[in-house]
Amino acid sequence: ETGVTQSPTHLIKTRGQQVTLRCSSQSGHNTVSWYQQALGQGPQFIFQYYREEENGRGNFPPRFSGLQFPNYSSELNVNALELDDSALYLCASSLTSGSLNEQYFGPGTRLTVT
Amino acid sequence: GESVGLHLPTLSVQEGDNSIINCAYSNSASDYFIWYKQESGKGPQFIIDIRSNMDKRQGQRVTVLLNKTVKHLSLQIAATQPGDSAVYFCAEESGYSTLTFGKGTMLLVSP
Repeated sequence: ETGVTQSPTHLIKTRGQQVTLRCSSQSGHNTVSWYQQALGQGPQFIFQYYREEENGRGNFPPRFSGLQFPNYSSELNVNALELDDSALYLCASSLTSGSLNEQYFGPGTRLTVT
Repeated sequence: GESVGLHLPTLSVQEGDNSIINCAYSNSASDYFIWYKQESGKGPQFIIDIRSNMDKRQGQRVTVLLNKTVKHLSLQIAATQPGDSAVYFCAEESGYSTLTFGKGTMLLVSP
């Protein structure tokens, strides 16, 4: 196992609601990246947090937001949920920003929007 | 576990065969590539990487080939085992510390 944990494992929400997903990074890692993986697709980069600051963002609307805490754990918040937000949400931690070959993924949170 | 492989290209091989998984990437300026393995119910797991100044890199039972002329990557797995069954993704570095993943290929290994 990678040492990256995510909660909850599964979640069901209704369209229009808000959701918060959580990620605990591997010990010593100061960078967390979030990805969305739709069924049958590769992961898509949402954003990255490095030392509590957003450090890059993919092509996702502002209703996707995040936080990183002093212990480097992170949250992904999605407002005004849409049906298309149904996906596996992955977080990945790395020792520092830029160390892509040492990016370790958690098992993901499966979000279903009905 | 949950499936991540619906509607993906699938490669079926027998145990002991060599497997070759292919990937086309989009950005000719990409400098760094990674192959990941994703098993059902798990996040992607790093297998091997390669930089654009190399054509080939070998790991344990795996080899990655890079053809920059046609923007093509391949992953070769020697002596494929049932435990290799998973979805395999190539990913390119598309910005600082940002990865763009391909669609993926499901590898099914029969005993």
